[in-house]
Amino acid sequence: GAGVSQSPSNKVTEKGKDVELRCDPISGHTALYWYRQSLGQGLEFLIYFQGNSAPDKSGLPSDRFSAERTGGSVSTLTIQRTQQEDSAVYLCASSLALQGGGYTFGSGTRLTVV
Amino acid sequence: GESVGLHLPTLSVQEGDNSIINCAYSNSASDYFIWYKQESGKGPQFIIDIRSNMDKRQGQRVTVLLNKTVKHLSLQIAATQPGDSAVYFCAENNAGGTSYGKLTFGQGTILTVHP
Repeated sequence: GAGVSQSPSNKVTEKGKDVELRCDPISGHTALYWYRQSLGQGLEFLIYFQGNSAPDKSGLPSDRFSAERTGGSVSTLTIQRTQQEDSAVYLCASSLALQGGGYTFGSGTRLTVV
Repeated sequence: GESVGLHLPTLSVQEGDNSIINCAYSNSASDYFIWYKQESGKGPQFIIDIRSNMDKRQGQRVTVLLNKTVKHLSLQIAATQPGDSAVYFCAENNAGGTSYGKLTFGQGTILTVHP
C-alpha cells in the first residue's frame, strides 16, 4: 500500500483480556518496528523484524507482549492479560533497511484498558 | 531539550518567525539522526535526516545541524507557519547511516505557532 496501515485505530478492552493489533507495512519494506507512546511521552521501542532474521525483542516490557510477522509482511502485536498501564498508542513503522530516508510510521492504534 | 514526567518542552513563536528546536543525544556511537513531526492523532512524519559525517543539511524551509562534539542536534524552521504547530521529535540510531535497526527517540518539543 501507499503507507503503513494499522488496525484497529482505537481499541477499548477490559483489564485481563487479550488484544491483537495489526500492522500492514509499505510493500517492499524489509524491516518492521513496533513502538509504544504513552500520553505526552516520546516513543518507546518494543520490537523489530528484519527479513528472516530473529527479531530484536529487547524492548518488550514483559512476557505478556509478543509479536509475529507472517510472510515477511503483516505483523501482529499481541498483549495478553492486559493491564491499565498498557493503555497507550501503539505505533508501527517500516523501513527499507540499508538506506536512508527515515522510517515510515502508521497512525497507530490507541489502546485503552478499563 | 529534555523533559521530566509529562511536561514536554514548549516553544511558542509568531507566524513568520524562524524556529529552532534543540535535542541532546547521549549515545556517542549514533551515526544517523532524524527529525519527525507529530500532529495530534497521527503518527510521526519524517521531516529531514542527517548522517554523522555531515554537520548541516538543508531541506525545504528546514535545516538540521549536528554537533557531534557536544552531542547536540537542532532543527531550524524558516518562516514558521501555523501548520507547523506539532510535537517535534529527534531520533537516532547507529546503523551506519541507514534506516535500519532500533531507533531511539527523544522526549519531544511542542511547537505552537501563533497567527
